[in-house]
Amino acid sequence: EAAVTQSPRNKVAVTGGKVTLSCNQTNNHNNMYWYRQDTGHGLRLIHYSYGAGSTEKGDIPDGYKASRPSQENFSLILELATPSQTSVYFCASGDERHNSDYTFGSGTRLLVI
Amino acid sequence: GDSVTQTEGLVTLTEGLPVKLNCTYQTAYSDVAFFWYVQHLNEAPKLLLRSSTDNKRTEHQGFHATLHKSSSSFHLQKSSVQLSDSALYFCALSAGGNEKITFGAGTKLTIKP
Repeated sequence: EAAVTQSPRNKVAVTGGKVTLSCNQTNNHNNMYWYRQDTGHGLRLIHYSYGAGSTEKGDIPDGYKASRPSQENFSLILELATPSQTSVYFCASGDERHNSDYTFGSGTRLLVI
Repeated sequence: GDSVTQTEGLVTLTEGLPVKLNCTYQTAYSDVAFFWYVQHLNEAPKLLLRSSTDNKRTEHQGFHATLHKSSSSFHLQKSSVQLSDSALYFCALSAGGNEKITFGAGTKLTIKP
C-alpha cells in the first residue's frame, strides 16, 4: 500500500542542537512537502521539492533546511533548534498533475527545550 | 498571494444536528482547485472532498460542498452529524496550476451526545 512514513514520531531536542526529521514515500510522487502545524495557524509550508536533488523554499523557511537525496526520501533539518520550532511537522507527497491533492504522513511531534 | 479563511475556530454541536463550516478564499487565479481535509486526533490529515468546478456539488462520506466563485466560497456541510465526525477540518486551495496547497487555519468540530 502506497504510503508516507515519517520518523521519528516524537522527538525531544535541546536548544542549539541539530534535528533531522525524515520522510519516506512509496507513492512514486515527484513532489514532496514539509509543513508545520500550530494551533490557530493551520498548516504552513516550510520547504518542498519537485524531485530528487530539488528543494524550494515555502512560506516559512527561516531556520530550516531540506534535502531530497532520492525520489522516495525528503528530510527536514534544523541546524540550530530553538523553542519556537516546537511543533508538529507533517510531510506530504503529491504528483505533478495540475492542482493535485496530497497524501500526508502521520506527523512528528518535536519539543525543543 | 493566495489565502484561505475559516471563520470558526471551534464548533460544538449535538449529535444529529446539521453543520456548516465556512470557507472563503482570495486568489488572483481563475484556475483553482479546492479541498477539505479532515484530521482526527493524533492522525494525519486526510482528503475529504475536492472540487474545481464552479456551482457543482461534491459529496463524500455524508459531507458536501459547492464551489461558488461568485462569492469566493467553498463551505462544508452535513445534514446530521455523528460522534465520529469530531475532528479538525481544513479548507485549502491550489491555484494557477501551482503544486502547492494553501491551507486555512482549521475548524475544530466537537460533537456531543
